[in-house]
Amino acid sequence: KNQVEQSPQSLIILEGKNCTLQCNYTVSPFSNLRWYKQDTGRGPVSLTIMTFSENTKSNGRYTATLDADTKQSSLHITASQLSDSASYICVVIRDTDKLIFGTGTRLQVFP
Amino acid sequence: NAGVTQTPKFRILKIGQSMTLQCTQDMNHNYMYWYRQDPGMGLKLIYYSVGAGITDKGEVPNGYNVSRSTTEDFPLRLELAAPSQTSVYFCASSYWTGGHNEQFFGPGTRLTVL
Repeated sequence: KNQVEQSPQSLIILEGKNCTLQCNYTVSPFSNLRWYKQDTGRGPVSLTIMTFSENTKSNGRYTATLDADTKQSSLHITASQLSDSASYICVVIRDTDKLIFGTGTRLQVFP
Repeated sequence: NAGVTQTPKFRILKIGQSMTLQCTQDMNHNYMYWYRQDPGMGLKLIYYSVGAGITDKGEVPNGYNVSRSTTEDFPLRLELAAPSQTSVYFCASSYWTGGHNEQFFGPGTRLTVL
């Protein structure tokens, strides 16, 4: 079954600390993997897009990694800020046009 | 560019009523999508369109209808609203879903059916 599982479900960290969010998937055939940030009450916004051949991609303080062999991805946030408080959603594209969404990790950053 | 716009932002319906959720994009994207997001759940695809005049069912199409008469607009129609359709609805668009083509989301419509 094509699934995307994210962990942890929720995470609380202090401002300035780093954190890593995990995404495991069983989607096949794999096309690409995306990480989105969704602020409360808003639509998701793309952070990174990685194809099969890409292992790492950065977007400012966000760094995503992809291991296509183990079907795992991670999103690392460096020097967290209060504005990083949001849900982070991992999405895997199957067959180039079918998006499979994870349920997200809710991150709260406290001062 | 306004990006992807949705109206209304909020709506309360009674069981059995119908309504249309509007979605417009000004990026000349071919692909448009409708998703619903239930609390604590991932987004689920309702319908999508790969171009004007072409629509196809997603994962959860029952109870909904769509049309795509222009590139810009992709309205979602709810007939005979049911409490199970209480959700947040997101419209999105992209050139296509492969490679590094980004998908842009609207701000969402929060629908409650009582």
